[in-house]
Amino acid sequence: DTGVSQDPRHKITKRGQNVTFRCDPISEHNRLYWYRQTLGQGPEFLTYFQNEAQLEKSRLLSDRFSAERPKGSFSTLEIQRTEQGDSAMYLCASSFGPDSNQPQHFGDGTRLSIL
Amino acid sequence: LAKTTQPISMDSYEGQEVNITCSHNNIATNDYITWYQQFPSQGPRFIIQGYKTKVTNEVASLFIPADRKSSTLSLPRVSLSDTAVYYCLVGRNTDKLIFGTGTRLQVFP
Repeated sequence: DTGVSQDPRHKITKRGQNVTFRCDPISEHNRLYWYRQTLGQGPEFLTYFQNEAQLEKSRLLSDRFSAERPKGSFSTLEIQRTEQGDSAMYLCASSFGPDSNQPQHFGDGTRLSIL
Repeated sequence: LAKTTQPISMDSYEGQEVNITCSHNNIATNDYITWYQQFPSQGPRFIIQGYKTKVTNEVASLFIPADRKSSTLSLPRVSLSDTAVYYCLVGRNTDKLIFGTGTRLQVFP
């Protein structure tokens, strides 16, 4: 399967711990997006990259959050000093860009639960 | 970015055609209309995209009137497996996507 892959699928951690998620996009896609989704809501944009450059960050992305895409391939999203409110599904998507109008393809997310 | 309004929920029975309408009064000239489907514990899955008139693929049709201020997703002959949340989005795919709360479609036997 050559879709977007996210790891881990589930993460349970105690409040105050750091967590890191990984996203492997579709191989030829140069744009990579992170979204967060809470129960009953649609996904909310967090940040996106074109190749290794982080082009936009949402105000939702506090200073405890950091995302990287060091070689323009996979990306990591780290949350430091986790809080209860960080419990959510973290989704990654990828697409061609900037000139293509191909849709974004999503992975199945990492579900984070903060105890 | 244009916002969308769609029904919170819809019910249907197997074999029926389901039409979900989305309003997007502030759609911009270069915005596309895109629909995603999402099952529990999965990421959104692209269904269909269009700019104007009608688009059809193997799973759905998308009807867009001339003023583009609304669109209708049509699912022919739904089955139980079509029970999901359906999101209507407007914008460019290369931009961040703005999701609303979507339409929860429940298909009954």
